[in-house]
Amino acid sequence: EAQVTQNPRYLITVTGKKLTVTCSQNMNHEYMSWYRQDPGLGLRQIYYSMNVEVTDKGDVPEGYKVSRKEKRNFPLILESPSPNQTSLYFCASSRDSAWNTEAFFGQGTRLTVV
Amino acid sequence: AQTVTQSQPEMSVQEAETVTLSCTYDTSESNYYLFWYKQPPSRQMILVIRQEAYKQQNATENRFSVNFQKAAKSFSLKISDSQLGDTAMYFCAFYNNNDMRFGAGTRLTVKP
Repeated sequence: EAQVTQNPRYLITVTGKKLTVTCSQNMNHEYMSWYRQDPGLGLRQIYYSMNVEVTDKGDVPEGYKVSRKEKRNFPLILESPSPNQTSLYFCASSRDSAWNTEAFFGQGTRLTVV
Repeated sequence: AQTVTQSQPEMSVQEAETVTLSCTYDTSESNYYLFWYKQPPSRQMILVIRQEAYKQQNATENRFSVNFQKAAKSFSLKISDSQLGDTAMYFCAFYNNNDMRFGAGTRLTVKP
């Protein structure tokens, strides 16, 4: 089954404690991206990757890091989480960057930073 | 920068009736893609419909159709014969050149 898998689905952590949210896709997609969803703001792009070792900033990259060492994985790293990073996070992948093919989303990660 | 505006934070409709969700966007580009995504309480993001800007014909997917007005930069979603399972948050989105923008969303409730 074609899917994007995010882990964990729920996470509560404390300010400053480094964490990683994993994202993996099994469709050999080149394009992957991370979004955060906040009430009244919709989804905003954090980072995207057009292929292995190619990443770029989206709209709200501050406080986040990503890596793309393998095609299937695109982890999101919060080196020193802060309460304003409390949000719902989504990973997405598509065959190419033009979104003219369907994008697949993970099931979301609800992150709370206290 | 491109922007996407959904001016209706919440809407409701009776089961079996028709409802239209509004979306406007701002861009100087001539070629782009527009999308409607559905997010039910499960949080899963589900593609409802996609429109390519260079196609004048409005996209249709079963009970879902769009009214794409390129000159007015408007992209509304019409849901016909609303069903209880249509209850969800709906996001309008715009894509051009690696820039994907979502609107703030419209929460739709279908009432029995």
